[in-house]
Amino acid sequence: QVQLAQSGAEVKKPGASVKISCKASGYTFDSYGISWVRQAPGQGLEWMGWINTYNGNTNYAQKFQGRVAMTRDTLTSTAYMELRSLRSDDTAVYYCARDRLVVIMPLILDSWGQGTLVTVSS
Amino acid sequence: EIVMTQSPATLSVSPGERATLSCRASQSVSSNLAWYQHKPGQAPRLLIYGASSRAPGISPRFSGSGSGTEFTLTISSLQSEDFAVYYCQQYNNWPPMYTFGQGTKLEI
Repeated sequence: QVQLAQSGAEVKKPGASVKISCKASGYTFDSYGISWVRQAPGQGLEWMGWINTYNGNTNYAQKFQGRVAMTRDTLTSTAYMELRSLRSDDTAVYYCARDRLVVIMPLILDSWGQGTLVTVSS
Repeated sequence: EIVMTQSPATLSVSPGERATLSCRASQSVSSNLAWYQHKPGQAPRLLIYGASSRAPGISPRFSGSGSGTEFTLTISSLQSEDFAVYYCQQYNNWPPMYTFGQGTKLEI
């Protein structure tokens, strides 16, 4: 079955960077995209960006432009999300989710990782 | 940016009753609208895509309708496991540029 296994919780200081991994199994990794979504405490879901796992192209929400980088390793079927210049309001649970690779694919965000808690505190 | 607005923020319903959740887009998203269920400590779960298509394995008690800017998620005969937060999400752009609504908390 489709599984997305994320790396463990992180505690970071303001100004630092964090890099979260998302290892896919149960499907052909580069036949689907990966999106990243976060949820801050008491807040709703916030889409951060998407990576085309086949060619590495990315598209980021404007809010995160210049501060986020999404990459992938097709040999290990793993996607990564790095967020730089962390602030206290980046404290959140970060999720990866399987997404479309091309626009004609019907299903969207149909399988999710378990989430990774990132705490930003001095 | 397309803004998604959900109403109500909180909906109180008794088990066995029907719940109707609304989602409005600030501009037309055609039928490129999904609904998710999110419970505390769990990952969100896709319920509906394409505004009205149920995701694999989703109970027929969940149904979606609408197009353009107005959408509805209906949950018939509510069961205890249905009480959660529900989010709508538009995906009308390519390459992807998604936005979520702020969520509706469905409570007993």
